[in-house]
Amino acid sequence: GAGVSQSPRYKVAKRGQDVALRCDPISGHVSLFWYQQALGQGPEFLTYFQNEAQLDKSGLPSDRFFAERPEGSVSTLKIQRTQQEDSAVYLCASSFGQAYGYTFGSGTRLTVV
Amino acid sequence: DQQVKQNSPSLSVQEGRISILNCDYTNSMFDYFLWYKKYPAEGPTFLISISSIKDKNEDGRFTVFLNKSAKHLSLHIVPSQPGDSAVYFCAAEETSGSRLTFGEGTQLTVNP
Repeated sequence: GAGVSQSPRYKVAKRGQDVALRCDPISGHVSLFWYQQALGQGPEFLTYFQNEAQLDKSGLPSDRFFAERPEGSVSTLKIQRTQQEDSAVYLCASSFGQAYGYTFGSGTRLTVV
Repeated sequence: DQQVKQNSPSLSVQEGRISILNCDYTNSMFDYFLWYKKYPAEGPTFLISISSIKDKNEDGRFTVFLNKSAKHLSLHIVPSQPGDSAVYFCAAEETSGSRLTFGEGTQLTVNP
């Protein structure tokens, strides 16, 4: 596709439920990032992939958060045993590489009730 | 600690006038800076960037100024248009880094 596609657009989860958020990057983009944006804040880095290799996961807030990109294309961000503080917009971005700029998807708004 | 700060949560400007959005940073390792624009329910869209070897970059109505000694950058939009109304995020990147560090954003409203 022409842009970065994220699904679902909206997700409501009961506290304790596991969720999986999907990101389809722009075809050929090597780098893929996940960011978390809380209400009224700027996006905060979660994790970074170069092809299938997860090179940086230092932004993941707890071991309940897990991301994968097994074939170097589609990525999934999984959150286990969701908590209310996980409520946020989760943004995915992809790029050909560091010097080429980043294209963001529209995000998945997760609400934990 | 907030390494990139946008101290004005909102700015209101009259159509046709200049909009100036400000951003300060603390990390001296940042050497590439970007501005993103965000409409509701959409992801951030890249607007303009500047490398630390420059002090100004211009693209149409948008100009970014960088003052490295003050660790300050600003985005000038002139003339401002109602369609420019959005949240503007300043972001910074280290040469060796693989992530963007964002400010909190400034909501710009351009009144007709």
